[in-house]
Amino acid sequence: SQQGEEDPQALSIQEGENATMNCSYKTSINNLQWYRQNSGRGLVHLILIRSNEREKHSGRLRVTLDTSKKSSSLLITASRAADTASYFCATVAGGTSYGKLTFGQGTILTVHP
Amino acid sequence: DAMVIQNPRYQVTQFGKPVTLSCSQTLNHNVMYWYQQKSSQAPKLLFHYYDKDFNNEADTPDNFQSRRPNTSFCFLDIRSPGLGDAAMYLCATSREGQGNQPQHFGDGTRLSIL
Repeated sequence: SQQGEEDPQALSIQEGENATMNCSYKTSINNLQWYRQNSGRGLVHLILIRSNEREKHSGRLRVTLDTSKKSSSLLITASRAADTASYFCATVAGGTSYGKLTFGQGTILTVHP
Repeated sequence: DAMVIQNPRYQVTQFGKPVTLSCSQTLNHNVMYWYQQKSSQAPKLLFHYYDKDFNNEADTPDNFQSRRPNTSFCFLDIRSPGLGDAAMYLCATSREGQGNQPQHFGDGTRLSIL
């Protein structure tokens, strides 16, 4: 069964606006990762946040993690048309001996020029 | 540039006819993964190799097999494809197997079944 649930399923915004996507999960985690997938392509890693971290930044991306609520959010600031893609969160469960990624269902982001 | 390459990008096969998808990497990573991604769904892990050690997910059908003849190459064999196996198949690599490093994905092979 899928670990993560993402919200919203689809998000449509104008260029320059901020986009926020949320991810919830069910069990304890080692870390949580965000990936982007352009249509018909593979996934591209964006950010990895460990269970003892609360916030992480990379360029226009900001990820937060609240382990007490078992949730994470991805904020893309000043969005561009090129940010149009599907965004997936993925968790690595705590206490495992291997790093299986369990993906959420994804958020489809459309940024209109 | 170091990368993960999947061939072919598109594969069409007939119902029941065996098919092999290939993946190569120049990253020299220890771990290679195969995922199945159906339309509008999340990727689902089928199995992975840590070096030569093969690890099958419990719910991966027996119809799916894999080979890793060396560090650089990994193959996905579907012995008797059914209509439900039509999907995008993604190969990924990572430096280590505990999930503390990101995974690097190829662009996938889209498999169609006639």
